[in-house]
Amino acid sequence: DSGVTQTPKHLITATGQRVTLRCSPRSGDLSVYWYQQSLDQGLQFLIHYYNGEERAKGNILERFSAQQFPDLHSELNLSSLELGDSALYFCASSEDYGRGYNEQFFGPGTRLTVL
Amino acid sequence: AQKITQTQPGMFVQEKEAVTLDCTYDTSDPSYGLFWYKQPSSGEMIFLIYQGSYDQQNATEGRYSLNFQKARKSANLVISASQLGDSAMYFCAMREGLNRDDKIIFGKGTRLHILP
Repeated sequence: DSGVTQTPKHLITATGQRVTLRCSPRSGDLSVYWYQQSLDQGLQFLIHYYNGEERAKGNILERFSAQQFPDLHSELNLSSLELGDSALYFCASSEDYGRGYNEQFFGPGTRLTVL
Repeated sequence: AQKITQTQPGMFVQEKEAVTLDCTYDTSDPSYGLFWYKQPSSGEMIFLIYQGSYDQQNATEGRYSLNFQKARKSANLVISASQLGDSAMYFCAMREGLNRDDKIIFGKGTRLHILP
């Protein structure tokens, strides 16, 4: 158990809908990262938040957005869902040293299926 | 260009043998970190080992060691005395720069099958 929690574990929805994925980082971790893992694209970095502020963006679609709240939990919002958005979405957290080694601990993931 | 290349999509290895999973990386940043993660069929991502670009010695964690060849930009994972539970997908990853704004880039992965 990494200490990172994600809810829900599974999500099935229809095209055009909007969903929210939730992540609680490990106690004390200030950084939250979101990743998408699909069969054709592999594991892709989406976005990084540090202590409530967006720090880096990867291959995140405009239909997707995220935020990190004052209690450090994070939500990933996916809207106007398409079939191709079906994937395993991971959240990871890390304690931030500023420089140097910074292991990311992954949550169990949310499997999204868009029908 | 791919930043992380894992050339072995799949490998079959006999139990108790040593395994080497290949990883090459591409960066012009002198400061970077290299990671290996394991993803069993259950789906979770498990951190295995880390190597910093300035580390003088190869990283080791139990049965895992990282064969770091900086000039060749290679960071192969070596698993000694493989076990059936080692069957999983293995991802090599890199973090460029070492400040808090940098993301981790993953390779496509190698699926390892340990045979009894």
